[in-house]
Amino acid sequence: DTGVSQNPRHKITKRGQNVTFRCDPISEHNRLYWYRQTLGQGPEFLTYFQNEAQLEKSRLLSDRFSAERPKGSFSTLEIQRTEQGDSAMYLCASSGGLADRADTQYFGPGTRLTVL
Amino acid sequence: GNSVTQMEGPVTLSEEAFLTINCTYTATGYPSPFWYVQYPGEGLQLLLKATKADDKGSNKGFEATYRKETTSFHLEKGSVQVSDSAVYFCALGGGFKTIFGAGTRLFVKA
Repeated sequence: DTGVSQNPRHKITKRGQNVTFRCDPISEHNRLYWYRQTLGQGPEFLTYFQNEAQLEKSRLLSDRFSAERPKGSFSTLEIQRTEQGDSAMYLCASSGGLADRADTQYFGPGTRLTVL
Repeated sequence: GNSVTQMEGPVTLSEEAFLTINCTYTATGYPSPFWYVQYPGEGLQLLLKATKADDKGSNKGFEATYRKETTSFHLEKGSVQVSDSAVYFCALGGGFKTIFGAGTRLFVKA
């Protein structure tokens, strides 16, 4: 298993454009999470999927943000009409190993978004 | 809701010095504490974790003991190396999301 992967690693876009990020979780994990991390801060929770169902969304996730996990495997996070304040690192994590009582989340390398 | 407070950085140490990074939390229920590390230019990596009170997590010479009575999970290492320079995040999980502290940047000088 190669761990959680995210694409692209970097994205530069102009304000007002739409962007989409992809996350491929660890294959046997049924839970998937999106976080946002700004410079000098810890990651902040955005949303959570169990299989294909989106079970929780943070208030940080405005109407311009949408996340999907259509087949319970990979997930996409789309930001519409990007704003400069959206510039951040977007992290994906997965969890759900059968023997993991702590439900440890394993993180991908992140997608760094810069909105000009 | 749950929250995590960790020592502010940056922390600058000489090689082979002893490291402590304090972490305390407030939580309901039975959360699991974690330490994650983020090396320059890389993503978050799990460093160690604990699943119940008085558990000691350990990895790569780092240790932390889950103290329910003081709601703490302080990170320690007896002898740091230059390669330990990174940002360390204390976190609280066990539910559908993990709550992170703000991170403590560690610089280790040769």
